[in-house]
Amino acid sequence: GIQVEQSPPDLILQEGANSTLRCNFSDSVNNLQWFHQNPWGQLINLFYIPSGTKQNGRLSATTVATERYSLLYISSSQTTDSGVYFCAGFTGGFKTIFGAGTRLFVKA
Amino acid sequence: NAGVTQTPKFRVLKTGQSMTLLCAQDMNHEYMYWYRQDPGMGLRLIHYSVGEGTTAKGEVPDGYNVSRLKKQNFLLGLESAAPSQTSVYFCASSYTGMETQYFGPGTRLLVL
Repeated sequence: GIQVEQSPPDLILQEGANSTLRCNFSDSVNNLQWFHQNPWGQLINLFYIPSGTKQNGRLSATTVATERYSLLYISSSQTTDSGVYFCAGFTGGFKTIFGAGTRLFVKA
Repeated sequence: NAGVTQTPKFRVLKTGQSMTLLCAQDMNHEYMYWYRQDPGMGLRLIHYSVGEGTTAKGEVPDGYNVSRLKKQNFLLGLESAAPSQTSVYFCASSYTGMETQYFGPGTRLLVL
């Protein structure tokens, strides 16, 4: 079955809007990470967040490990936030498994 | 620090040809990973290494081989390229296995 599932698959925002991206993960997946892939294909790590809440500027993330989900919050979105957001976790030791991603487009 | 670098950035191969992709990191990381990303999809782990001289299979290892002779380098080989291996290949590294990974810029491979 699907081990890392992201929603929504696509999201269009007006600049300045807030959004929440969700990642559900199965029992065999741990140690969640969030990444941003910009329109040029570069992958940037955003958060390593096995549990709890972290914030970095306009971005924050919360993982509730006991309920097997993680949320990525983007506040006051900017056009530079466009791209694909991936969550990923570890399964079976050090094997990393990625979700399919949420494609975000922020309109000016 | 250059971080994680990948060579080459783009390559076109004919079916049956071989090639090696090089990943280098200057962060003294123990763990290194090779992924492939197909259009509209997330990344899938091909092989990984938990230290110099070690390698292990990931989710989609068939058709690929790897070597980690030096701590800073992780090589991905295609012995006989197939059109199904057309993809973007990313290398990543991390200091320990259970922490965030740092990615290279990717290598675009087209197999005709």
